Amino acid sequence: DQQVKQNSPSLSVQEGRISILNCDYTNSMFDYFLWYKKYPAEGPTFLISISSIKDKNEDGRFTVFLNKSAKHLSLHIVPSQPGDSAVYFCAASDRGSTLGRLYFGRGTQLTVWP
Amino acid sequence: DTGVSQNPRHKITKRGQNVTFRCDPISEHNRLYWYRQTLGQGPEFLTYFQNEAQLEKSRLLSDRFSAERPKGSFSTLEIQRTEQGDSAMYLCASSLGSTGEAFFGQGTRLTVV
Repeated sequence: DQQVKQNSPSLSVQEGRISILNCDYTNSMFDYFLWYKKYPAEGPTFLISISSIKDKNEDGRFTVFLNKSAKHLSLHIVPSQPGDSAVYFCAASDRGSTLGRLYFGRGTQLTVWP
Repeated sequence: DTGVSQNPRHKITKRGQNVTFRCDPISEHNRLYWYRQTLGQGPEFLTYFQNEAQLEKSRLLSDRFSAERPKGSFSTLEIQRTEQGDSAMYLCASSLGSTGEAFFGQGTRLTVV
């Protein structure tokens, strides 16, 4: 039962343009959402997070938007750079009951080309 | 290096053998997690420790799997009588309190032949 879904397995964007990665979830108890970036043969690296009390969080080129009514979040990368090419995982947590356990989507492979 | 450290990075073993992986979390982190990732999937939760107490285990963790965290510091994950289906990347993560950000190690790639 996939509680976090990333329906686009891949995304290709030109350098300098905006990358938008999408994520949907089904569990209304999730109250904390995170994005991780993963290079081949490495562990996921934390990128940015958002609490369910907010609808936007920004950190440099990265912005995460949360739409609780639609159970949808997105990660915007502006401007995209070739070094951003990686697999991006969306993750969610119900901090009240799951003790920090994260539920991950299957990931979206982002390719940024020059 | 103050990040999460996992050893070994790679392990090839014959089916039926036992293997043990080690994870050293970030020193002040009291929470430690094990996840497993197979090709084309996101990481899947296996088990969780708060200090030395193992508080949750996934149904993915069969009785061939055991994890420990003695003294609430490093953790080990042992797989007995390995099967080809155990081939995966085993990831360890740690976090502090309920902040939510878990920091991952580089993983141990297990190949069962």
